[in-house]
Amino acid sequence: QKEVEQDPGPLSVPEGAIVSLNCTYSNSAFQYFMWYRQYSRKGPELLMYTYSSGNKEDGRFTAQVDKSSKYISLFIRDSQPSDSATYLCAMGESKGFQKLVFGTGTRLLVSP
Amino acid sequence: SAVISQKPSRDICQRGTSLTIQCQVDSQVTMMFWYRQQPGQSLTLIATANQGSEATYESGFVIDKFPISRPNLTFSTLTVSNMSPEDSSIYLCSVLAGANTGELFFGEGSRLTVL
Repeated sequence: QKEVEQDPGPLSVPEGAIVSLNCTYSNSAFQYFMWYRQYSRKGPELLMYTYSSGNKEDGRFTAQVDKSSKYISLFIRDSQPSDSATYLCAMGESKGFQKLVFGTGTRLLVSP
Repeated sequence: SAVISQKPSRDICQRGTSLTIQCQVDSQVTMMFWYRQQPGQSLTLIATANQGSEATYESGFVIDKFPISRPNLTFSTLTVSNMSPEDSSIYLCSVLAGANTGELFFGEGSRLTVL
């Protein structure tokens, strides 16, 4: 079993839809959770960074962590074609540098 | 946020040759990291490069195959040696966003195809 599982997609939605992207993990020591967005032929860029359980909102993006279920989500409201990218979840055990464990990424396609 | 430049952005290489990837950061950083992103696979840390010391390699990666230099606080190189088609991948340089954070900034990557 992989330490972090993420559905590779592609996930295709129409413009304006609410998108839900998810990762499950097996290591209960993970406390820091991140979502990165990666456009084609570009490096990943950090979207959301959360600590422990709970929700964090930033504009159209909401990150949700459920440590009891070992499940994290990224919601995108009012999705736009410019949101079309691959979304990577990443997680780590402690603050400061640690070896982050990444999911394989979910490819999202938002059609106009 | 740090600006990270990588060269080359892409290259096509012959089996058995070696290629050096350069990474330049616009600010001084203690640690630089090299990742590999293979198709359909998760980002995998190859090694951590500290200025003035030997790079620290992750399990499955060895210095003879992926020698790393870190001559100063803004620059690093990763060499992929004696390449085979299995080395075809995107190689990414990254740095920490801050001293006490796990957030990473990434370069745009170097896409290598080995024939």
